Amino acid sequence: GESVGLHLPTLSVQEGDNSIINCAYSNSASDYFIWYKQESGKGPQFIIDIRSNMDKRQGQRVTVLLNKTVKHLSLQIAATQPGDSAVYFCAENAGGTSYGKLTFGQGTILTVHP
Amino acid sequence: DTAVSQTPKYLVTQMGNDKSIKCEQNLGHDTMYWYKQDSKKFLKIMFSYNNKELIINETVPNRFSPKSPDKAHLNLHINSLELGDSAVYFCASSRGLGIETQYFGPGTRLLVL
Repeated sequence: GESVGLHLPTLSVQEGDNSIINCAYSNSASDYFIWYKQESGKGPQFIIDIRSNMDKRQGQRVTVLLNKTVKHLSLQIAATQPGDSAVYFCAENAGGTSYGKLTFGQGTILTVHP
Repeated sequence: DTAVSQTPKYLVTQMGNDKSIKCEQNLGHDTMYWYKQDSKKFLKIMFSYNNKELIINETVPNRFSPKSPDKAHLNLHINSLELGDSAVYFCASSRGLGIETQYFGPGTRLLVL
């Protein structure tokens, strides 16, 4: 959902560890999901996407898992590097009459310590 | 080669003023968007255009008026600026409507004093 708190969820990891960032989405009609990375002072950058007819998709060092039963999305980053430090957003697209309308989650701050 | 560009990057202005933000994409995309990111980092869509036609118009005050002179440009004009308009505004584009990846610009940081 569109919950906004005073503080974003945070995840701190050591360089080389694997990171898992979670996201709960609200619309069971959503059929497309995207993960974006936003570095300080920059715009969101596309990382990976997944359609609702899949439950897993892999990219370079990243994997997205989709569990439609519990409306949960996760982003796994392997061998996390300091350059991965950023705010990560999940977004959902309900399609249909909501063409192009991405609904963003609140974001998670990932900090990678060398 | 900047795919989605916005000007200006920073905009500081007084309450009550009128200002415009410009966006251009060189990706050959048909669809463009404006998003607002507040101080809590929450990103929310404002408008989308497809081939210069307004598609999405979220609940945005009518002081905000988007204009698309051609499909590579989507500008945002804001009248009578208010303190609450202070935010980062992002332009994005996608190949078309539907399930398409949206590519974001670098943002325009607006501060209303």
